[in-house]
Amino acid sequence: DTAVSQTPKYLVTQMGNDKSIKCEQNLGHDTMYWYKQDSKKFLKIMFSYNNKELIINETVPNRFSPKSPDKAHLNLHINSLELGDSAVYFCASSQGTEETQYFGPGTRLLVL
Amino acid sequence: GDSVTQMEGPVTLSEEAFLTINCTYTATGYPSLFWYVQYPGEGLQLLLKATKADDKGSNKGFEATYRKETTSFHLEKGSVQVSDSAVYFCALNDNQGGKLIFGQGTELSVKP
Repeated sequence: DTAVSQTPKYLVTQMGNDKSIKCEQNLGHDTMYWYKQDSKKFLKIMFSYNNKELIINETVPNRFSPKSPDKAHLNLHINSLELGDSAVYFCASSQGTEETQYFGPGTRLLVL
Repeated sequence: GDSVTQMEGPVTLSEEAFLTINCTYTATGYPSLFWYVQYPGEGLQLLLKATKADDKGSNKGFEATYRKETTSFHLEKGSVQVSDSAVYFCALNDNQGGKLIFGQGTELSVKP
């Protein structure tokens, strides 16, 4: 059983488009996260939600909007995509904010 | 702010060699410390963790000890295998909101 899943796995799109990435976890966790991994493999948190409430928003452009319809899902919508948005986006989840985070397989976004 | 510094890669070893990947951290509170591993084209997997000073985390022959006096969490393995080739990330959770702060990653390549 997949614990944290993301769709799509790959996303190739043109500059200026709007796209969404979906994340689902079946671990029963109450906290979910989005991280961005750049081309040098550096990982940085973008957002986190606890019980559907936004608790971390790390100076991310307004073009990025997370949405958590329920505790098991956290989606990421990106408006007006730019070349610099090309990266791997990882979703993660944990039970509470102090427990181990479990990561999804990543979504590889390429903006042309 | 909090930060994690890892030794630069890539690290290239022969099979059965001893591995050390250095990790030091800066934190104002009492963080939990983690090692994650990323195999090529995959997401991050938790390798081991330690939540307080002098704790030793271990898994799959890897181990790391939380050293508060030297603010370090070095990863070691006595005998590496080709299948250990991956990128290794040291990370801390400052236990204030769940933000994981990652080191820059160390690429390990093990040759037969």
